[in-house]
Parts: sequence; C-alpha cells; structure tokens
Amino acid sequence: NAGVTQTPKFQVLKTGQSMTLQCAQDMNHEYMSWYRQDPGMGLRLIHYSVGAGITDQGEVPNGYNVSRSTTEDFPLRLLSAAPSQTSVYFCASSYSSEAYNSPLHFGNGTRLTVT
Amino acid sequence: SQQGEEDPQALSIQEGENATMNCSYKTSINNLQWYRQNSGRGLVHLILIRSNEREKHSGRLRVTLDTSKKSSSLLITASRAADTASYFCAGGDSWGKLQFGAGTQVVVTP
Repeated sequence: NAGVTQTPKFQVLKTGQSMTLQCAQDMNHEYMSWYRQDPGMGLRLIHYSVGAGITDQGEVPNGYNVSRSTTEDFPLRLLSAAPSQTSVYFCASSYSSEAYNSPLHFGNGTRLTVT
Repeated sequence: SQQGEEDPQALSIQEGENATMNCSYKTSINNLQWYRQNSGRGLVHLILIRSNEREKHSGRLRVTLDTSKKSSSLLITASRAADTASYFCAGGDSWGKLQFGAGTQVVVTP
C-alpha cells in the first residue's frame, strides 16, 4: 500500500514550457486534489476531483489543467510555465467526496522551479 | 484567501515542555483539522474536531475548538525532538473544501 505517489520529486522548467505532474493513489479514494505551497502562505487549492470524470477549480486554478479518467490517477498539467508557478506542489486524496469531512492523505510533493 | 491563521508563526521549546499553538478562522466551519509537516515531506493528518465538539485528545495531542471565537488550539504535551515540524490548521469552508493556514514552525531541542 503505497498511499499517494507523486512524480517527479524535482523539476526545472524554462518559461513557456509545459509539463505534467503525476499523482496516483492506491487507496480507492473518491476525492483527489492538488495544492501548491509557497513560503508564508500555507497551502492553496488548485483543482480537485470528487470522482472519476469530475473535476472542479479551487482557489488558484489559472495556468493549470487537470483530468480524472480513473479513480487512481489525477495528473496536473502546466500549460505554459511561468516563474510565478515556482512552488512545491502536493497531491492529496481522501475517501470521502467531502474533503473537509475526512482526513487528507498527502504525497511527498514535487518541487518545481521555473526560470 | 486563507481560512486559518496560526499563532505563533514559530515556537522553540525544550524536550519535555508543552507546546501550544493557536488557529483562528474566518468563516463558519463543519470541522477543523490539524496536520503536521516534516521538512521536505507531505502533510500528515493529526486530528479532526467537529464543530459540535469542544475538546479532543489523541495520544499527547489535545485540541480545543471555540466556535464562538472562531478559534482552535493544539497542545502537544511532553514534547520530543521528533515533534520538530510545521503544524497547520485547516477549516472546511462553506463550499465543502479545506483551507489551510500558513502554519506554526515548532523546534524542539534536546
């Protein structure tokens, strides 16, 4: 039981490049989400999904796309990277579709630098 | 916008002492959760307290919730060096999502 797995752990991009951050969970959780963590700002929700085929925007969705074709996977796509997207990205899942009502399980993060 | 704001931002104590951190939130919540983050790692869930509860215990952790003051506190008793981490509160907002505060950085020295 691996929990929530994020790849890669580190990534450096040039401005304008695109990439996909991978997230997979093996707990059959309904809810999956992406957060970014910046110094002094806590975690901010980017996108979330309450089940396969369903996604919705969080607090800071601009510049990011997501899809949820399976229960297990929830990739985050950066369409055209900008320096403002330099951050640590966390994927999290929970068994309930109501994230506030059940504990979130986090991956270990992807540290992204955009130059 | 952040739902929770932790206080203090940083806390330094010695092993064996108690550590107390506070969280204030802005809007009505269904529950409030506390998480721990070790350096370079993801967050780990510690405890969840529902809006109709006033106090909850889990091992050396004690959480209180005062909905009238929109505040919560986390107490770690008899702290250990392994408790060195950042601690975050997160409140469920009216849209059913969690919003996190900026965290309290706790350092426990042997």
